[in-house]
Amino acid sequence: AQRVTQPEKLLSVFKGAPVELKCNYSYSGSPELFWYVQYSRQRLQLLLRHISRESIKGFTADLNKGETSFHLKKPFAQEEDSAMYYCALRSGSGNTGKLIFGQGTTLQVKP
Amino acid sequence: EPEVTQTPSHQVTQMGQEVILRCVPISNHLYFYWYRQILGQKVEFLVSFYNNEISEKSEIFDDQFSVERPDGSNFTLKIRSTKLEDSAMYFCASSEGQGNLGNYGYTFGSGTRLTVV
Repeated sequence: AQRVTQPEKLLSVFKGAPVELKCNYSYSGSPELFWYVQYSRQRLQLLLRHISRESIKGFTADLNKGETSFHLKKPFAQEEDSAMYYCALRSGSGNTGKLIFGQGTTLQVKP
Repeated sequence: EPEVTQTPSHQVTQMGQEVILRCVPISNHLYFYWYRQILGQKVEFLVSFYNNEISEKSEIFDDQFSVERPDGSNFTLKIRSTKLEDSAMYFCASSEGQGNLGNYGYTFGSGTRLTVV
């Protein structure tokens, strides 16, 4: 079964602290993984995709196929990072490419 | 930066009424999608659309739902007879295509909040 699991509903840290938002997936093929961010119930914005291996707003994520994880990390959290973060897996069945989302983690960065 | 545009931003409708949610995808994108997010829950896939037909639909997308691309630019989601449980944020998304090369991420619209009363 294709599934994305974000075990933490809420992660609360102080400004300047390191952040790690966990994401585990279950997928039989070669996964394509993304992190999306949603600020104050606005649109979902693409933050990272694993194939590009880039760093956006200080966030990075490494795909670990052995652990089936794609955790999102940032060494020093900022207040403006407070948002909802969704890990997503692109399902490659046919030509659809639908996204399967995790439950989301609310990141709260306290001053 | 190109955007996916959704209208209206908020729609209130009475139970049993038909509602049409509208989306204008990014012009050179080929794949179109509808997702929904019930308040407090995760984003769920509804349907994908490519080459003027449905590619895949979820079990949520029953006979009450339909999609259309009537004029080559708009992409609509119709709910024929709304139920209270259809209240959610509906997101439209578009994508250039699939594969491991290039920018094949989705671009989401800002959503339409549908409230069924």
